[in-house]
Amino acid sequence: EVQLVESGGGLVKPGGSLRLSCAASGFTFSSYSMNWVRQAPGKGLEWVSSISSSSSYIYYADSVKGRFTISRDNAKNSLYLQMNSLRAEDTAVYYCAREGYSYGEHDYWGQGTLVTVSS
Amino acid sequence: EIVLTQSPATLSLSPGERATLSCRASQSVSSYLAWYQQKPGQAPRLLIYDASNRATGIPARFSGSGSGTDFTLTISSLEPEDFAVYYCQQRSNWPPYMYSFGQGTKLEIK
Repeated sequence: EVQLVESGGGLVKPGGSLRLSCAASGFTFSSYSMNWVRQAPGKGLEWVSSISSSSSYIYYADSVKGRFTISRDNAKNSLYLQMNSLRAEDTAVYYCAREGYSYGEHDYWGQGTLVTVSS
Repeated sequence: EIVLTQSPATLSLSPGERATLSCRASQSVSSYLAWYQQKPGQAPRLLIYDASNRATGIPARFSGSGSGTDFTLTISSLEPEDFAVYYCQQRSNWPPYMYSFGQGTKLEIK
């Protein structure tokens, strides 16, 4: 069974940093691209970042470029999101999601971790 | 950046009725469009990929159609558990790959 479990969320002050983790199991993690998607309270889904299976290709939404860094450790079956210079508008539930083999669809999602940026 | 516009924002129907949800792209995405269902407090669930392929375990009452810029998600006969928010999503055709979601359609019980 595919499982994705996020951790690392919490309350942080504006300008602060946080590192999210996503532990993957039930599939060959090193064979799949992975994504972070966030959802502000009461709002829709927003794609944040993507990383290819071997970390060769990394992409970011304009809203987080230069502040967030995605990475992965295939030996540990783990995905990460380092978030710096956090702003109030980064407050959201952050989901990690596996990318399927077709064309960009996210076929499995974790349950999410809440990040709150507030003074 | 490709913008996805979903309509209607809210759809009020009764169990047993047919639901038709629309997603329009600001430029062609070929057939590379996915649909998701999200219930309160839960993560999204993939329903449809490549515009018309049902994901694993998705009931046959869910179907997708369309290509280019206009796409439709149809639920043939609504079950009580189908009332939720639905999102469409695409990935750009060429690198750098950028992904976007529609703003969502809330399907509510009439």
